Amino acid sequence: GEDVEQSLFLSVREGDSSVINCTYTDSSSTYLYWYKQEPGAGLQLLTYIFSNMDMKQDQRLTVLLNKKDKHLSLRIADTQTGDSAIYFCAEVPITSGTYKYIFGTGTRLKVLA
Amino acid sequence: DVKVTQSSRYLVKRTGEKVFLECVQDMDHENMFWYRQDPGLGLRLIYFSYDVKMKEKGDIPEGYSVSREKKERFSLILESASTNQTSMYLCASTSLQGNTEAFFGQGTRLTVV
Repeated sequence: GEDVEQSLFLSVREGDSSVINCTYTDSSSTYLYWYKQEPGAGLQLLTYIFSNMDMKQDQRLTVLLNKKDKHLSLRIADTQTGDSAIYFCAEVPITSGTYKYIFGTGTRLKVLA
Repeated sequence: DVKVTQSSRYLVKRTGEKVFLECVQDMDHENMFWYRQDPGLGLRLIYFSYDVKMKEKGDIPEGYSVSREKKERFSLILESASTNQTSMYLCASTSLQGNTEAFFGQGTRLTVV
């Protein structure tokens, strides 16, 4: 099926690291994405990884990709209250031909002061 | 600054009304999408369009139709609104070039009473 799976909730203390996990469906996906949605807003691209990479680091964000297990994770170092949001992973299978995005259910991250 | 603009942030409509949700992008993107977002279900694709006057059904097209008469505008139509269409509606656009980042509007929260 076309299900991108994430856990629904994650709660961490300010200053700790957060790890948000995702399993995706199609190994042909060229890009895998993480989007952030703040309250009352649309989604914004946080970072992405090309499928021939294992890891990508961008300041406090680290993306790890395990193609064998179709597992994607997003690590946020030194999590801040401003990181509280919903995080969506997404894939775009090449087989779709039209760049049809498939989104996960979203993980709601709550950062406790 | 790139922009996807949805015509309304909040709408309240009565059961049986015909409802139009408008979305405009200024990036000359080929692809445009309509999603609905419900708690625990993530983003579900209603319809997408990859060119003017072209459209394809997404995962949940029932009760909806779309119109794309101009490249920059993609309209979602609820022919006869029902209470189970109360939701957050998100419009997005992507280019066929580069990393195919999706740009989202701010969302329209529709309540059908």
